[in-house]
Amino acid sequence: GNSVTQMEGPVTLSEEAFLTINCTYTATGYPSLFWYVQYPGEGLQLLLKATKADDKGSNKGFEATYRKETTSFHLEKGSVQVSDSAVYFCALLNNAGNMLTFGGGTRLMVKP
Amino acid sequence: GAVVSQHPSWVICKSGTSVKIECRSLDFQATTMFWYRQFPKQSLMLMATSNEGSKATYEQGVEKDKFLINHASLTLSTLTVTSAHPEDSSFYICSASVRQVETQYFGPGTRLLVL
Repeated sequence: GNSVTQMEGPVTLSEEAFLTINCTYTATGYPSLFWYVQYPGEGLQLLLKATKADDKGSNKGFEATYRKETTSFHLEKGSVQVSDSAVYFCALLNNAGNMLTFGGGTRLMVKP
Repeated sequence: GAVVSQHPSWVICKSGTSVKIECRSLDFQATTMFWYRQFPKQSLMLMATSNEGSKATYEQGVEKDKFLINHASLTLSTLTVTSAHPEDSSFYICSASVRQVETQYFGPGTRLLVL
């Protein structure tokens, strides 16, 4: 079956540091890939997505590129802020388009 | 943006008790609602998918008689954990979508602790 693997957290960074959260996946066919963010006390929100190989999703300074050759979708941000502190989930949508599979989540803590 | 609420946010109960969790889409009508379970430091695991007015579709390994799902309207779905036991303690999250599964709006979750 499909699966998503994320680096374990927590990831602790200083403000303005560079962020990378690794995500790799196992799936048949050509799934769509997503990053969700969960701020404290809130529900998951879609951060960005990519629907085919080599697509780059971007939003709020975050980027991720769909790499089929390495089955990866790493999340990056050049300069993190304290307000980016949250839990980030990588996910894939199956070919049928009816089920999301999530990674375990990575907690990011940004210190001023 | 679309808002999904869950109630209660926290519940502690004795073993053997049945617990009902509500999931509401506050400002939109959801054609489909999803129920997930999250264990500590683990990913969200889809439990079931429900469409308004029809029976829920449960994922493999999820006991449908244990986790009763009712989707009575386009804005409300309920998950009832029947005869809860300590191993049912977990974080339960619902989500709602209008058309596309990828565009799910998530509730804040309900933490259940069974003593």
